[in-house]
Amino acid sequence: GQQVMQIPQYQHVQEGEDFTTYCNSSTTLSNIQWYKQRPGGHPVFLIQLVKSGEVKKQKRLTFQFGEAKKNSSLHITATQTTDVGTYFCAGSHNTDKLIFGTGTRLQVFP
Amino acid sequence: EAGVAQSPRYKIIEKRQSVAFWCNPISGHATLYWYQQILGQGPKLLIQFQNNGVVDDSQLPKDRFSAERLKGVDSTLKIQPAKLEDSAVYLCASSWFPGELFFGEGSRLTVL
Repeated sequence: GQQVMQIPQYQHVQEGEDFTTYCNSSTTLSNIQWYKQRPGGHPVFLIQLVKSGEVKKQKRLTFQFGEAKKNSSLHITATQTTDVGTYFCAGSHNTDKLIFGTGTRLQVFP
Repeated sequence: EAGVAQSPRYKIIEKRQSVAFWCNPISGHATLYWYQQILGQGPKLLIQFQNNGVVDDSQLPKDRFSAERLKGVDSTLKIQPAKLEDSAVYLCASSWFPGELFFGEGSRLTVL
């Protein structure tokens, strides 16, 4: 079946360090979305990528969609304590059915 | 703009009992989703509605789970009978079709 995996599962960083999470799909994606879930909260939409090789930036966050549209990454520059949470990618395979990845839990130490 | 409303926020039941969750999506959103999120895992799609029709329910355990969306607005998800492994947060989300998902706060179910 369709699978979306993320690595690493956990990441602990010192405040100010960079952070990257990688998302890999077993099949080609039509688009990919990224969500952030704070501890005890619900997923909140961050961005959607549609085009092959697309790169989008939101302040300290950089999102990339792979050329083959099977992988994606989220990079955070100079992490802050407010970045704490679990980051999920979610991919669609030619339908609007969104499959969530396994998530990367980020912990930031001040 | 009001967000996605869910109730109850918390529910504790014993195995083999039944439970129902309610969701009211954002006004005008045609697509409604129910996700199951087990602790430490990503949300797993249970069922997706487009208006009041089912788009996908391939991962819904139909022997015990049922969902409906009458009149294409609010929705209920029912579990009967519940098993221990059903302990999870049940997230409802809605969206324009297609697009970003707006999630509710979730309903946390504990099955003892």
